Amino acid sequence: EAEVAQSPRYKITEKSQAVAFWCDPISGHATLYWYRQILGQGPELLVQFQDESVVDDSQLPKDRFSAERLKGVDSTLKIQPAELGDSAMYLCASSLDAATDTQYFGPGTRLTVL
Amino acid sequence: QKEVEQNSGPLSVPEGAIASLNCTYSDRGSQSFFWYRQYSGKSPELIMFIYSNGDKEDGRFTAQLNKASQYVSLLIRDSQPSDSATYLCAVRPSNTGNQFYFGTGTSLTVIP
Repeated sequence: EAEVAQSPRYKITEKSQAVAFWCDPISGHATLYWYRQILGQGPELLVQFQDESVVDDSQLPKDRFSAERLKGVDSTLKIQPAELGDSAMYLCASSLDAATDTQYFGPGTRLTVL
Repeated sequence: QKEVEQNSGPLSVPEGAIASLNCTYSDRGSQSFFWYRQYSGKSPELIMFIYSNGDKEDGRFTAQLNKASQYVSLLIRDSQPSDSATYLCAVRPSNTGNQFYFGTGTSLTVIP
């Protein structure tokens, strides 16, 4: 069964350092999402891509976060510099296209900022 | 007002009982509704989706949608200890591309 891949699964870093997360969506899925989930809360959308284009990044803290999907397949989310409040689970999801609703999640990256 | 609201629980039911999880949403024009299960430390896993008013059954799970009252519920019949998890309700409002709004989740514990 096709799955969304993410790496690393866990990341511990010190504040002010840079971190990067990688996501490979299900093959053929044009739409890719990055979510942040703080413990005890639901996932919140950071950025949505349709192929290589950003569709929605209104909730992305652009002073420190960046995301790219250069070839419209895999994607990288970067934080620089990391802050204590960035400690969370970072989830990647994909869907076949923006009109096909169902989103499938990867295993996530648990980030701890010390 | 949050887009999607859920009772955070915890909800405890004995093994074999019916667990009822509820979710309300604010956008009356919302089109698509999803239930995800999330085990502690894991990522959300899709259980069911529903688009039309009424009930939709899949095995032990039944999703119920009432657009007039703006709520969606999930019933789990014959609850098992393995059903113990947080259940997330997700809604796609009418004015977004494919953005989902998630509730905070309801924690369910099934007691053996």
